[in-house]
Amino acid sequence: DTAVSQTPKYLVTQMGNDKSIKCEQNLGHDTMYWYKQDSKKFLKIMFSYNNKELIINETVPNRFSPKSPDKAHLNLHINSLELGDSAVYFCASSQAYSDSPAPYEQYFGPGTRLTVT
Amino acid sequence: GEDVEQSLFLSVREGDSSVINCTYTDSSSTYLYWYKQEPGAGLQLLTYIFSNMDMKQDQRLTVLLNKKDKHLSLRIADTQTGDSAIYFCAESNSPGGYQKVTFGTGTKLQVIP
Repeated sequence: DTAVSQTPKYLVTQMGNDKSIKCEQNLGHDTMYWYKQDSKKFLKIMFSYNNKELIINETVPNRFSPKSPDKAHLNLHINSLELGDSAVYFCASSQAYSDSPAPYEQYFGPGTRLTVT
Repeated sequence: GEDVEQSLFLSVREGDSSVINCTYTDSSSTYLYWYKQEPGAGLQLLTYIFSNMDMKQDQRLTVLLNKKDKHLSLRIADTQTGDSAIYFCAESNSPGGYQKVTFGTGTKLQVIP
C-alpha cells in the first residue's frame, strides 16, 4: 500500500563509486521529483519529471542523472560520488498539471540516506 | 526566483501554543502549505490555504495569511510532544498549467514535556 517507495533506505559507499537510487509511486501521479536534504535539513529540488519528460533541472552537477522509464518510476544515478553528496535524498510525486489552480499535495518517499566515505 | 524563509528553531512547553512563521516573495502564489517532517521520514502535508483567504482553522491548527506582507503562520494549540518535528511552509503557483512548489527552509519545533 506504500504510495511512494524508495530503495535503498541507507547507502554507504566510497568516493568515486557510482550508485543508483530507485523510486516508484503507485498513486497514478503525472509528476515525480528528486530532492536533496542536507545536514541542516534544507530541502532543495534537484529534478522534476512529468510523464517521463524532464521539467525542472536545477543547478545540479551532471554527475547526477535522473532516468524515468515510465510514469511510475524515477531513478537517480550518481557517478563519481563525492563527500559532499552525503545527504538524504527524497523522491516525491504529485498531480502537477491542472486546468485550473488547485491545491495539490506532494507525496514524499521515506528518503535514502547516502553516506560517502 | 521565489524565496521562502522561516526561522530555524522553536522551543515550547507541552500544552502551550506554538506559532511558526514564514515569509515568501512570490506575489503570484495561489496556494500556501504547511508540511510536517518527523524524524527519519519524508514530508507530509498538514494543511493548506488559498491565497485569497486570510485564515483557516483545522482542529488544533490555525493558518493565518497576510498576503500584503507575504507572511504565513501556523499556530498549533495545546502543543504535544508528538508535534515535535520540522515544519516546512511552501508556496505554489501555476505558470502555464504546471504547478510549481517552493519549500521554505524549515523550522524545527521542540516540545519540552
